Amino acid sequence: GQQLNQSPQSMFIQEGEDVSMNCTSSSIFNTWLWYKQDPGEGPVLLIALYKAGELTSNGRLTAQFGITRKDSFLNISASIPSDVGIYFCAGSSSNTGKLIFGQGTTLQVKP
Amino acid sequence: GAVVSQHPSWVICKSGTSVKIECRSLDFQATTMFWYRQFPKQSLMLMATSNEGSKATYEQGVEKDKFLINHASLTLSTLTVTSAHPEDSSFYICSASAGAAFFGQGTRLTVV
Repeated sequence: GQQLNQSPQSMFIQEGEDVSMNCTSSSIFNTWLWYKQDPGEGPVLLIALYKAGELTSNGRLTAQFGITRKDSFLNISASIPSDVGIYFCAGSSSNTGKLIFGQGTTLQVKP
Repeated sequence: GAVVSQHPSWVICKSGTSVKIECRSLDFQATTMFWYRQFPKQSLMLMATSNEGSKATYEQGVEKDKFLINHASLTLSTLTVTSAHPEDSSFYICSASAGAAFFGQGTRLTVV
């Protein structure tokens, strides 16, 4: 079945540093989504991408939908302690809302 | 963004009993909702697609008789874990789409 490979698995950075994580797939997706999950909570949508090549920003976050429709990256600039959490990419190949999730990237920020 | 509410946030039940989890779309209607399961330090795994007014569609390996799904209205889907066992202990999360997929807060189920 479809799988998303997300990397890196974890990151430990200093406050103020920039962060980059990415997801790749062997399958084409129509939609790429990036979520952040805090412990004991459901995922919160950060950025949604709907078109190949699309580059979208949300505050300090920037994400891009790869031209081939098989990859996406998320950048976080000038990280702050509240950026700590697990970041998931998710892809959808249909309009039903059914998602395939990456394995997640655990981000820790040292003040 | 759209709001999806899940209830309860956590539940502890005895082995052999059944537990019902509710998922509501608060400010939009959802003909389709999704139920995921998440084990500690793992990603979300889709369990089933809940379809309003019709039977749910289950992913491979998910027992439909154990995880009963009812989507009786455009704003409510329920997941009932029947005859729960300790191995059913997990974090259950629902989602509904309003453009993008929005998730509930999750339900921590502990079976003792």
